[in-house]
Amino acid sequence: SQQGEEDPQALSIQEGENATMNCSYKTSINNLQWYRQNSGRGLVHLILIRSNEREKHSGRLRVTLDTSKKSSSLLITASRAADTASYFCATRQGGSEKLVFGKGTKLTVNP
Amino acid sequence: DAGITQSPRHKVTETGTPVTLRCHQTENHRYMYWYRQDPGHGLRLIHYSYGVKDTDKGEVSDGYSVSRSKTEDFLLTLESATSSQTSVYFCAISESEQVSSYEQYFGPGTRLTVT
Repeated sequence: SQQGEEDPQALSIQEGENATMNCSYKTSINNLQWYRQNSGRGLVHLILIRSNEREKHSGRLRVTLDTSKKSSSLLITASRAADTASYFCATRQGGSEKLVFGKGTKLTVNP
Repeated sequence: DAGITQSPRHKVTETGTPVTLRCHQTENHRYMYWYRQDPGHGLRLIHYSYGVKDTDKGEVSDGYSVSRSKTEDFLLTLESATSSQTSVYFCAISESEQVSSYEQYFGPGTRLTVT
């Protein structure tokens, strides 16, 4: 069963705008990771946030984690057409070596 | 794609035939995973391996078997392919928490069509 659920399922914005995607999950986690998938390609790891962290930055990416609400958000600032892709959250529970992926948000950035 | 290759990249096969997909890594990572990706379902784990000859089932393992005789190779076999196994299959690798907290690196995918 899916652990993470991304919201919205699809998002269309103009270049230069910010894009925010949300992920909700059901059980306690060790860490939460975000991945990007360009059309026809494999997933690429973007950023990882641990359960004891609240916010993390990497370049134009900002991730927040609220363990009390079991939710995370991914913010992409000053979006570019090249950011067009699907974005997935994945959660790791306890000592598991597995990740559970959500169904993804499809982001379209219009030039 | 982080030293991960999948073969074949595309395959069309008939219902009832056996199919084997190969994942090869050059990173010497301990863990290897097979996922399938379908519209509306995201990525679902089929099987994974935590070492040579050590494998375990994932969420959607029925109809699939795996083998790992070498660190670098992880094979996924459909014993008798069905149309419901038409999908895009991804292999991924990762290392332990001490190294990278199980961040996964994905191969390019195999598109399998069962007619």
